[in-house]
Amino acid sequence: AQSVSQHNHHVILSEAASLELGCNYSYGGTVNLFWYVQYPGQHLQLLLKYFSGDPLVKGIKGFEAEFIKSKFSFNLRKPSVQWSDTAEYFCAVNQNSGYSTLTFGKGTMLLVSP
Amino acid sequence: GAGVSQSPRYKVAKRGQDVALRCDPISGHVSLFWYQQALGQGPEFLTYFQNEAQLDKSGLPSDRFFAERPEGSVSTLKIQRTQQEDSAVYLCASSPGGGTALYEQYFGPGTRLTVT
Repeated sequence: AQSVSQHNHHVILSEAASLELGCNYSYGGTVNLFWYVQYPGQHLQLLLKYFSGDPLVKGIKGFEAEFIKSKFSFNLRKPSVQWSDTAEYFCAVNQNSGYSTLTFGKGTMLLVSP
Repeated sequence: GAGVSQSPRYKVAKRGQDVALRCDPISGHVSLFWYQQALGQGPEFLTYFQNEAQLDKSGLPSDRFFAERPEGSVSTLKIQRTQQEDSAVYLCASSPGGGTALYEQYFGPGTRLTVT
């Protein structure tokens, strides 16, 4: 069974700092990869997705993620965080072969101090 | 347009009670998913519907859990004889269709179930 590891449960940054959140998955085949975000008091929402093609994916609000197949990784990055980026971030993966369920990581809580 | 809605938002049940959690997906979305999110964890898949057909129920933790979507729109997740380990947030998500769109899921606010 596939699994998703997010390395940090909590990250605290000051505004304008750069962000990188780690995500590694265990499945060896072709995968679809996602980052979801949950802002305080809001629903989970899709931040960005990778299905195929360019491994550098750009999402909303200046976020990007890079798929490195050899490292089984899909790390999330943002060059300069804002206070409004305070949220919980979830990495998710599923097999790119017909139907398969999404497997989520445990999440990383990001706190950005003004 | 309206997003995914869930009701109730909070539910407290005594151990042994039955509960029913409702999900209203985005209009026109054929795919519907239920997830369970325990404290400090990511969402875990429970079950998947395509229209009214329940195509995958492999994530349901026991036969006390039952889900239905009789008309291909609103779905209900029912938990019988609730146990303390059922305490979690239950999330519903819908997506527009098949292929990769299946996984572009729109989540509801969740129902927080507390079993005392």
